Amino acid sequence: DGGITQSPKYLFRKEGQNVTLSCEQNLNHDAMYWYRQDPGQGLRLIYYSQIVNDFQKGDIAEGYSVSREKKESFPLTVTSAQKNPTAFYLCASSIDTEYGYTFGSGTRLTVV
Amino acid sequence: RKEVEQDPGPFNVPEGATVAFNCTYSNSASQSFFWYRQDCRKEPKLLMSVYSSGNEDGRFTAQLNRASQYISLLIRDSKLSDSATYLCVVNSGSNYQLIWGAGTKLIIKP
Repeated sequence: DGGITQSPKYLFRKEGQNVTLSCEQNLNHDAMYWYRQDPGQGLRLIYYSQIVNDFQKGDIAEGYSVSREKKESFPLTVTSAQKNPTAFYLCASSIDTEYGYTFGSGTRLTVV
Repeated sequence: RKEVEQDPGPFNVPEGATVAFNCTYSNSASQSFFWYRQDCRKEPKLLMSVYSSGNEDGRFTAQLNRASQYISLLIRDSKLSDSATYLCVVNSGSNYQLIWGAGTKLIIKP
């Protein structure tokens, strides 16, 4: 079955650590996205990539980094520069916005 | 002004009732419109696309008003399982970016 897989489902980070969230899709979609969602809030765009080896900052890119070395994969690193990283992180992909986005099941990151 | 605005609710509605909510958008160049449903602590899932002619899927009807720049969602004969947050989504005018509303929370009560 085609879809997007995010791992891990839950992640705990110590202060000062970098952590990497995985996102893999087998939908053959060109575009991939990372969003952050805080409790009771909407989705905020962190980074997006329209094509392999290219990505763009979203509205809240500070403290995050990404890579897009393969079409299927778009990992997100939450660096120690991100001061308030506790949130629900969602990865999505799209072939064209005419068809909407498909989401992974998310990673819940908590700083301990 | 936010690009996509929704009433956050919550809308508390008795089971079996009809409920409707609107969403306004600011970019007149937007071409694609959607309603997504998000359950608590889950990812958003596509509920329906919204076409210029409007569309219906069972108990759900979506309408687009380009002149006034809003879309609407109507839910008839509401079920307890309809309780969720409904996200209004509009494309930015490009082929790759969607703009998300903050969502309207709906609670269906027995």
